[in-house]
Amino acid sequence: TQLLEQSPQFLSIQEGENLTVYCNSSSVFSSLQWYRQEPGEGPVLLVTVVTGGEVKKLKRLTFQFGDARKDSSLHITAAQPGDTGLYLCAGAKGTGANNLFFGTGTRLTVIP
Amino acid sequence: GAGVSQSPSNKVTEKGKDVELRCDPISGHTALYWYRQRLGQGLEFLIYFQGNSAPDKSGLPSDRFSAERTGESVSTLTIQRTQQEDSAVYLCASSQRQGASIKETQYFGPGTRLLVL
Repeated sequence: TQLLEQSPQFLSIQEGENLTVYCNSSSVFSSLQWYRQEPGEGPVLLVTVVTGGEVKKLKRLTFQFGDARKDSSLHITAAQPGDTGLYLCAGAKGTGANNLFFGTGTRLTVIP
Repeated sequence: GAGVSQSPSNKVTEKGKDVELRCDPISGHTALYWYRQRLGQGLEFLIYFQGNSAPDKSGLPSDRFSAERTGESVSTLTIQRTQQEDSAVYLCASSQRQGASIKETQYFGPGTRLLVL
């Protein structure tokens, strides 16, 4: 049973379009992180959100943590080919968590 | 080196053989994690080392899996009597863990791609 479900699983869009990726769970997390993973490489951390309702912006990427700290979304404005990759959300449970629970991932392809 | 390194980058083995995967964390990072990533799936936590504390082995899927770390240096993940379902990418991450901080950043290595025939 996957603790964090991401949708959509696959997304292919044209350069310049906007998109939103979702990360949902029935569990409450103390924090949630988003990573991007490119082929042949390990995931790279994009952002950490801690407070329910928190919104963080990273250039064209906007991350939101749900009010109940059970879900999150990633919105990309004017997608670029360089945004192509596997986007993973990961939730930490408890302040002393020794590990993160990773989502199923969304594989994004931005077509030039 | 500047980042986390793992070796080998690729490993093909026959069912029933033992394999050893190596992880070199970022110098000075006290925490080290191993994850498994099956094709098309997210990361599955395997084991966590923090300094000289007893490791958290709660994610190891069976007793065929074990890992060691000497101090705050290299770690080795060993899979004995490999099975075809062990085929996956094995990722290592390290971090500068500060107490019970939930804001730590994990830095991942490129992974070892294991294929069990």
